Amino acid sequence: KQEVTQIPAALSVPEGENLVLNCSFTDSAIYNLQWFRQDPGKGLTSLLLIQSSQREQTSGRLNASLDKSSGRSTLYIAASQPGDSATYLCAVSYYGGATNKLIFGTGTLLAVQP
Amino acid sequence: DAGVIQSPRHEVTEMGQEVTLRCKPISGHDYLFWYRQTMMRGLELLIYFNNNVPIDDSGMPEDRFSAKMPNASFSTLKIQPSEPRDSAVYFCASSPASDYGYTFGSGTRLTVV
Repeated sequence: KQEVTQIPAALSVPEGENLVLNCSFTDSAIYNLQWFRQDPGKGLTSLLLIQSSQREQTSGRLNASLDKSSGRSTLYIAASQPGDSATYLCAVSYYGGATNKLIFGTGTLLAVQP
Repeated sequence: DAGVIQSPRHEVTEMGQEVTLRCKPISGHDYLFWYRQTMMRGLELLIYFNNNVPIDDSGMPEDRFSAKMPNASFSTLKIQPSEPRDSAVYFCASSPASDYGYTFGSGTRLTVV
């Protein structure tokens, strides 16, 4: 069964700290992996997409890495700000079906304290 | 473009009633997805369409759930009869034929009492 796990489930850090969120997946034959952000009561916003042939993607203070062999991805947030507080979800898609059919992890709830 | 538009934003209904959730995808997106989010199970894919045709409905929990996409600009998810365990946030998302550009709607929070 294709499963996606995220740890920790919740994280609280002081403003300015660098932090890492983790995502692991059981089936390494992924097509791509995406990181999303979800604010309370809102939909999901796509942050970064990593194709299976790539090792990392960067956008501003965000950097996502992908290690298919170990079935892991990390989302690194530099110099965290209170506005970064949200739930972060990773999602993977696989070959053998619609390659944009996503399987989501359970998310990490991040709180950045001012 | 106004993004993916879902209605209603909130729905409270009594057990046994029919519920219809609506979605307008982004114009030009070939794929439309219906997801359900609960605390216990997270985000689950219910069904998705490609060019208005249902491709995979293996995530639809029971025959009480049905989805249609009569044209490229409109889709519905219907629950009949509704049950309290159907209470969740239901998201619609659309995507172009490429891998990127996944856009979610703001969701419909359904409460069945």
